Amino acid sequence: SQKIEQNSEALNIQEGKTATLTCNYTNYSPAYLQWYRQDPGRGPVFLLLIRENEKEKRKERLKVTFDTTLKQSLFHITASQPADSATYLCALDRSYVGQNFVFGPGTRLSVLP
Amino acid sequence: DAGVTQSPTHLIKTRGQQVTLRCSPISGHKSVSWYQQVLGQGPQFIFQYYEKEERGRGNFPDRFSARQFPNYSSELNVNALLLGDSALYLCASSLVGDASYEQYFGPGTRLTVT
Repeated sequence: SQKIEQNSEALNIQEGKTATLTCNYTNYSPAYLQWYRQDPGRGPVFLLLIRENEKEKRKERLKVTFDTTLKQSLFHITASQPADSATYLCALDRSYVGQNFVFGPGTRLSVLP
Repeated sequence: DAGVTQSPTHLIKTRGQQVTLRCSPISGHKSVSWYQQVLGQGPQFIFQYYEKEERGRGNFPDRFSARQFPNYSSELNVNALLLGDSALYLCASSLVGDASYEQYFGPGTRLTVT
């Protein structure tokens, strides 16, 4: 069966540390993978996109990796700040079956001062 | 530049009723997608429209339908509402209907079915 898992439902880290969020999937073949941030009561906000032939992508304090062999993406926030506290969602491309994106359940990150 | 807008913000309906949700994409965006998000879960894909044609459909019953207008705005219709349809309905627009482009989400419409 097809499944997307994101590491623990909630992750607490200390301010200044690096947060690492995981997205594991089975029985999908995404050409693209995207990461979004969602704050309570609001729509998701796009952060990064990575292609299947890219190993790593960076944007300011954010870094994402994509391993199609392991079927895993890692999302890193370096020098984390309390303002980074939010739910982070990974989204896998399913356009090859006409279904746009499939989202993971999300990880709720709390950065403690 | 205005972002994606959705109306109404909140809606309360009774079981069996019908509802229409509206979405205006970012100017210049030709693709609109609809998602349903239940509390504590990620968004679940319902429909994608691109250039007024249905590009994709998720695993939702036929009670759900949508359309896109010549100005690229979109409506999502849900008939014969069930309690389980209570959720946040999100609209997302993108420049083209290609997965290599980022999606911009609206604030959502919170639907409560009683």
